[in-house]
Amino acid sequence: SQQGEEDPQALSIQEGENATMNCSYKTSINNLQWYRQNSGRGLVHLILIRSNEREKHSGRLRVTLDTSKKSSSLLITASRAADTASYFCATDRGSTLGRLYFGRGTQLTVWP
Amino acid sequence: DARVTQTPRHKVTEMGQEVTMRCQPILGHNTVFWYRQTMMQGLELLAYFRNRAPLDDSGMPKDRFSAEMPDATLATLKIQPSEPRDSAVYFCASGLYNSGGPYEQYFGPGTRLTVT
Repeated sequence: SQQGEEDPQALSIQEGENATMNCSYKTSINNLQWYRQNSGRGLVHLILIRSNEREKHSGRLRVTLDTSKKSSSLLITASRAADTASYFCATDRGSTLGRLYFGRGTQLTVWP
Repeated sequence: DARVTQTPRHKVTEMGQEVTMRCQPILGHNTVFWYRQTMMQGLELLAYFRNRAPLDDSGMPKDRFSAEMPDATLATLKIQPSEPRDSAVYFCASGLYNSGGPYEQYFGPGTRLTVT
């Protein structure tokens, strides 16, 4: 079963706007990761946030984690048409075996 | 630029035929994952290996799917016999895992399988 539940399922914005995607999960975690998938391609790791971290930045990406609410958000600032992709969150469900549990993803479309 | 490679990239076959998909993990990575992605089910983990030993293959239909790692540079996923419901994109991913973590995964480009 899917661990992460992203919302919205689809998001459509104009270039230059910010895009916010959310992820909720049900179990304790050691870390949460976000991946991007361009159409017809494999997933690409974007950013990882540990359970003891609350916020992390990487370029135009900002990830927050609220373990009390079991939720995370991914913010893409000043979006570009090239950001059009599906975005997935993944958790480890507290395991250290390395397996990740992926959500269904948010399809982001950025219009030029 | 180290990458996970998968072959073939596309495969069209008839129901009942055997399908073999291959994956070359990133050199030095000790863990390999096989996923299947469909619109209906999303991304499903089929099996994964660490140091070539299977850790979990509970996501695979055992009667027709098999996964192996003949050596550290090759992972294979076989379907025999294939069925139309096996049509999907199959991804291989690899990662380097040791005590502690955390761990990120590196995905290949996928094999798009169509079974008619």
